[in-house]
Order: sequence, then C-alpha cells, then structure tokens
Amino acid sequence: SAVISQKPSRDICQRGTSLTIQCQVDSQVTMMFWYRQQPGQSLTLIATANQGSEATYESGFVIDKFPISRPNLTFSTLTVSNMSPEDSSIYLCSVEEPRETQYFGPGTRLLVL
Amino acid sequence: SQQGEEDPQALSIQEGENATMNCSYKTSINNLQWYRQNSGRGLVHLILIRSNEREKHSGRLRVTLDTSKKSSSLLITASRAADTASYFCATDADTGFQKLVFGTGTRLLVSP
Repeated sequence: SAVISQKPSRDICQRGTSLTIQCQVDSQVTMMFWYRQQPGQSLTLIATANQGSEATYESGFVIDKFPISRPNLTFSTLTVSNMSPEDSSIYLCSVEEPRETQYFGPGTRLLVL
Repeated sequence: SQQGEEDPQALSIQEGENATMNCSYKTSINNLQWYRQNSGRGLVHLILIRSNEREKHSGRLRVTLDTSKKSSSLLITASRAADTASYFCATDADTGFQKLVFGTGTRLLVSP
C-alpha cells in the first residue's frame, strides 16, 4: 500500500490566518482526496484532486475557503483560508491505491484560536 | 446527508470477548470498507467487501454485507486492549469513481 505523509502534523493558528497542509505519497497516484474530521465526528470529503485539473469540491466546500493544488502525481496541498474556530478539525488526505481501496495519511490536527 | 449510521455509538467489553459493530447505509454501493482510528490519528484500512460478496475474513476480523438490507457488520473476535479505537464503515457509492461516505463510527473500549 502507498505510504502517505502529511505536514504539519498539528498546528495552532490565530483566526483570520491561513494554513497550508502538505500531502506526500511515495508512489504516483491518479486521485487524491482531502477529508475533514471535526471534533468527535466522522469524516467528510472536502474535495477530490486530480493532477493537471481543478479540484472537484463537495457540497458545502468552496475553492476560496479550501484552495487545493495538485502539481504532480505524488503531491498535493490543501489551504484552509481565513480561519475561524469552526475550522478546528483533523484534516486528512487519502489516495486510491490499489483501485477501490483508499489509504489515509496520519492527519493534520488544527486548532484555531 | 448520505452518511451511514453505525451502532452502537460506543461499546465497552473485556479482553477476550467478541465485539460486533453494525453499519447501515442508504444508497447502492460498489463496495464497503471498514477503518480503524486510534485516538484521532490517521485511519487504518481493515477490510474491503464488494457488493457481490456476503462475508469476508481477515485474521480476527469477520465482515458481513447484506445489500438487501443495506447493512454490514464487523466482528472482532478474541478482542485485545490494543483493539481500543474508533471503527468506521465507508461506502463507495455506485457512481463510477471512488467517493467514500463514512458512517458515524463506533468507539470500542477493550479493558484488560
């Protein structure tokens, strides 16, 4: 299975600022996914990122708030913009490799004060 | 919301006992996957069962799938303290590409 790393592992940020989360995979993958897990809750898909195209966002998530980059087949970033305390969550990236099976990174734990 | 429901929300057992968690979902699926999450960390993939399968085993794990009832169960036999975690089911809706919809999760506590 693919090995996925995320940076940072955790951060404490002030409201109004932005944070960029990096996701690195040790193999080339077509699709990468970004999820949010609010405190005590399950995971919700934010967007799907394919290399070379605009990310596809789920209902309730917009590009201005969560811009995503996918510059190559092993890397993606998610930015949480103009943060508020409601953005405090764990953010996880995942890849579909092999087909049908998604593997997740260790997550980025974000606290917004 | 298409989010699945899991029950129980929390389960507390003793080491050596079996733990059963149930998952219900709402739409047609290609497959259903079970994940484990320790203390708010990343998710560990446990097992995938396809819509044309009824039962699957992996070590101490047994998963069943009933597509007519839109439900699945995860059985952990001979539980250990290290099995303490949250367990989530996730369905891959039959839309042609992988978009996982997660259940609400079951928090399992296994006491020594």
